[in-house]
Amino acid sequence: QKEVEQDPGPLSVPEGAIVSLNCTYSNSAFQYFMWYRQYSRKGPELLMYTYSSGNKEDGRFTAQVDKSSKYISLFIRDSQPSDSATYLCAMEAGGTSYGKLTFGQGTILTVHP
Amino acid sequence: NAGVMQNPRHLVRRRGQEARLRCSPMKGHSHVYWYRQLPEEGLKFMVYLQKENIIDESGMPKERFSAEFPKEGPSILRIQQVVRGDSAAYFCASSPDPNQETQYFGPGTRLLVL
Repeated sequence: QKEVEQDPGPLSVPEGAIVSLNCTYSNSAFQYFMWYRQYSRKGPELLMYTYSSGNKEDGRFTAQVDKSSKYISLFIRDSQPSDSATYLCAMEAGGTSYGKLTFGQGTILTVHP
Repeated sequence: NAGVMQNPRHLVRRRGQEARLRCSPMKGHSHVYWYRQLPEEGLKFMVYLQKENIIDESGMPKERFSAEFPKEGPSILRIQQVVRGDSAAYFCASSPDPNQETQYFGPGTRLLVL
């Protein structure tokens, strides 16, 4: 079993839709949770960084963490064609594992006009 | 403030040759991380370095791969005697302090082994 599971999609939605991206994890030591966006043939770009259960909002993006269920989500409101990319969840345990991010497989999202 | 820089962006090697990938972290960042992304897979951690020190190399293959981050100059990921299975995108990331902030990634080096 992988430490982090992410549905690879692909996911295709119309412009303006609400997008929900999800990851589950098995390692209860994970304390820090991130979402990255990766455009084709580019490096990952940090979108959201959280370290506690609950919601964190930044513009059209909301990150949600539920540590009791080992489940994190990223919601994108009013999706735009420019949001078309691969979205990667990433997690870090901290402590002696500082610096070691464990990534999900990535979800390919296409927003069509 | 320039971001993380990696070069070359594309590298072609024949089997048995050596590949050297370079990474210059963001200004003020002294922590460097290398990840590998195989086709259709997510990023896999390889190694975490500070200046002149390897902190965590738990993701590095035991043979042919090495990494360094000297006091002066970029971090280097070195792959000796490359094989076709080494073909992948190699990403470098940096952070100022892993206890406080997460990592910022470079554009990657795409290695193709013929």
